[in-house]
Amino acid sequence: QSALTQPRSVSGSPGQSVTISCTGTSSDVGGYNYVSWYQQHPGKAPKLMIYDVSKRPSGVPDRFSGSKSGNTASLTISGLQAEDEADYYCCSYAGSYTPHNYVFGTGTKVTVL
Amino acid sequence: EVQLVESGGGLVKPGRSLRLSCTASGFTFGDYAMSWFRQAPGKGLEWVGFIRSKAYGGTTEYAASVKGRFTISRDDSKSIAYLQMNSLKTEDTAVYYCTREAMTTVTTDYWGQGTLVTVSS
Repeated sequence: QSALTQPRSVSGSPGQSVTISCTGTSSDVGGYNYVSWYQQHPGKAPKLMIYDVSKRPSGVPDRFSGSKSGNTASLTISGLQAEDEADYYCCSYAGSYTPHNYVFGTGTKVTVL
Repeated sequence: EVQLVESGGGLVKPGRSLRLSCTASGFTFGDYAMSWFRQAPGKGLEWVGFIRSKAYGGTTEYAASVKGRFTISRDDSKSIAYLQMNSLKTEDTAVYYCTREAMTTVTTDYWGQGTLVTVSS
């Protein structure tokens, strides 16, 4: 399985919205509603921000939202804040007993200008 | 509060073995599947494998890149998951993360802080 495709970087000013795309195939993103998004600050462990395409875990601000259309999932950060500057990875389930049960995106660096 | 603490990382020569431990607290360990992920320096995330809970047979699955070399096990009495890594290669150099699989859906919801494994001669 190849990695899911994400833009290398996106940027926005405080208060603006940014959207990160995550493109896969019908074997992963398009085949299951099990897309998650993780936020990773430098030197830290990833943190779950979105699961099941569009659900937010308790404690994650509603500025973060997820969606999916076909083989492409998206993460939108509305009302961008300084603490949102981090790397973001999408992740899709790709089936059991396959070479990679979970496939990750290439990662996107979000910069708050 | 869910906590996952990895240990056992370090410098090891190619071809040697290393065992990582993941000590869990803050939840009923035996009820959950546990996974291992890794991240090579400056690179993205990669799924390594996971172990199901005993209720689902305690079976394991592995990424193709580590299958046959790595083994995941668990000791529910101690709330510890293990990653036994044999025949290590330089490309196995990475920070290894222990994670908890969500109970009601397919995602990994909590991550440990990670432990660095460096494979070098």
